[in-house]
Amino acid sequence: GNSVTQMEGPVTLSEEAFLTINCTYTATGYPSLFWYVQYPGEGLQLLLKATKADDKGSNKGFEATYRKETTSFHLEKGSVQVSDSAVYFCALAGGTSYGKLTFGQGTILTVHP
Amino acid sequence: GAGVSQSPRYKVTKRGQDVALRCDPISGHVSLYWYRQALGQGPEFLTYFNYEAQQDKSGLPNDRFSAERPEGSISTLTIQRTEQRDSAMYRCASSLTPSWGTGGNTEAFFGQGTRLTVV
Repeated sequence: GNSVTQMEGPVTLSEEAFLTINCTYTATGYPSLFWYVQYPGEGLQLLLKATKADDKGSNKGFEATYRKETTSFHLEKGSVQVSDSAVYFCALAGGTSYGKLTFGQGTILTVHP
Repeated sequence: GAGVSQSPRYKVTKRGQDVALRCDPISGHVSLYWYRQALGQGPEFLTYFNYEAQQDKSGLPNDRFSAERPEGSISTLTIQRTEQRDSAMYRCASSLTPSWGTGGNTEAFFGQGTRLTVV
């Protein structure tokens, strides 16, 4: 079956630091990959996505590249802000289980001024 | 409405009682998904619908859990004879395209969830 593994958190950074949150996956076929974000007190929001190998998803300064050879979809941002403090979830859809999302366990990010 | 709406936002129930959780998807969205999220974990898939048809219920943990979407819009997740282990955040999501669509366009919009506590 499908699975997603995220780096363990929590991650604590100073403002303007570089961010990487690692995500690797297991799936058959050609899944679509996503990063969702949950800000305090809010629901899950789609941050970015990539639907095929070598695609780069980007939004709000965040980027992630779909690497089929390493089955990875690492999230990066060059300069984080306090407002980026949230929980980040890597997820996949498709492969043998098209139509439903498989999530990683989430990574808590805290950014200090 | 503008987004996915879930009600109630919070539900406290006694062990053994039945509960019904409601999801009102974005208007026109074909697919509707239910997830359960334990504290400190990612959401786990329960079931999903395309229109009124339940396509996959493989994530429902046991036969106390059921879901319906009779008119292809609002959905209800029902938990019978609740147990303390059912305590979790229950999330609903909807997407515009059917899951069998091409191109992998399964972007899902999530509601704020219902926090269920069984005491």
